[in-house]
Amino acid sequence: DAKTTQPNSMESNEEEPVHLPCNHSTISGTDYIHWYRQLPSQGPEYVIHGLTSNVNNRMASLAIAEDRKSSTLILHRATLRDAAVYYCILYSQGAQKLVFGQGTRLTINP
Amino acid sequence: GAVVSQHPSRVICKSGTSVKIECRSLDFQATTMFWYRQFPKQSLMLMATSNEGSKATYEQGVEKDKFLINHASLTLSTLTVTSAHPEDSSFYICSAPKASTSQETQYFGPGTRLLVL
Repeated sequence: DAKTTQPNSMESNEEEPVHLPCNHSTISGTDYIHWYRQLPSQGPEYVIHGLTSNVNNRMASLAIAEDRKSSTLILHRATLRDAAVYYCILYSQGAQKLVFGQGTRLTINP
Repeated sequence: GAVVSQHPSRVICKSGTSVKIECRSLDFQATTMFWYRQFPKQSLMLMATSNEGSKATYEQGVEKDKFLINHASLTLSTLTVTSAHPEDSSFYICSAPKASTSQETQYFGPGTRLLVL
């Protein structure tokens, strides 16, 4: 399984943007970049995903490097409810399963 | 609203007993579901892929005779932890893909917290 590398933890302030980085230097051409987040004592929830182009949805934006070896999840205006562990995962069409890494624990300060 | 449910949400059992956890897709059919286990302060570990109408596919190191998976219908998968021991205490989470596309996104259940005494 292609691996991703994320910082263990990050901290930001409420109502400020947050940029969560992810390195995936061994990504293959058909791997999709998925982001999920997990709030305490809950199952993960889907945030966003992309292949090559940057993506936006109501939750976040995903910026993908031109060489696809890294990506950044952007929360435009963090709230306290965004405090969670954020997982960057490479989804392989061949394997068709999500393999979680350690993720980034995001703390939001009021 | 939730699209994948799990039951029970938490269970306490005695060592040596078996525990069944249900995972249901609520408004869609899922030919495939996934089971994960998560220990405190750790990430999710994929245990197995549940396949409707066929045997489950287990990840390396997961004992198939201990963690029995049955995908009884297109909306239900069950995980039975047989002869549970304290080291099986964990947070068990299931997921299912809703759209059968190459960009599948997973919908996760709320998890089942198992405590084996």
